[in-house]
Amino acid sequence: QQPVQSPQAVILREGEDAVINCSSSKALYSVHWYRQKHGEAPVFLMILLKGGEQKGHEKISASFNEKKQQSSLYLTASQLSYSGTYFCGTAGYNNNDMRFGAGTRLTVKP
Amino acid sequence: NAGVTQTPKFQVLKTGQSMTLQCAQDMNHEYMSWYRQDPGMGLRLIHYSVGAGITDQGEVPNGYNVSRSTTEDFPLRLLSAAPSQTSVYFCASSYLGDNEQFFGPGTRLTVL
Repeated sequence: QQPVQSPQAVILREGEDAVINCSSSKALYSVHWYRQKHGEAPVFLMILLKGGEQKGHEKISASFNEKKQQSSLYLTASQLSYSGTYFCGTAGYNNNDMRFGAGTRLTVKP
Repeated sequence: NAGVTQTPKFQVLKTGQSMTLQCAQDMNHEYMSWYRQDPGMGLRLIHYSVGAGITDQGEVPNGYNVSRSTTEDFPLRLLSAAPSQTSVYFCASSYLGDNEQFFGPGTRLTVL
């Protein structure tokens, strides 16, 4: 089952902050975050693993609440380059069957 | 390193035709996967492989076949194309299933 992302879209001014949420109805072992610009392939941002290990960017952070089966992506002091569609992907333990959310379209304006 | 490559970039098929989408990676990754992306639907997993000779179905496998004879290559076959298979197809690879996935540039397929 696909994870649910919110909001579906958000518009920011440069320098503003944003939070993107991802929730799942099944137990999670890991959450992946990717960004995709129009007409391009998705690009890896971050992985959060059960137990708290986090791998990814310095300027973009994320949290993983295992009990609530939720993850949030935090973009602070947004830049124009942050514009794109953000996807979360979720997988259970030893489960290579990754499911992605429908995406959150982020637009950063000058 | 070329990373993940896909061919062709664009393809138009008629209903009932068959074709193979090619995917190759030069990073010696064990895990490879195929996704389709439709507007508003995000990425949906079609098939994946955890190594040469091993494949498994994902979320939307019907109408597609895969094989993995080498570590490098993971072709996706459409047996009898249908308009519902019009989509953008992405191939991805990673060291293991639960690691950063590297995506290819995609193939835009239209079935008339």
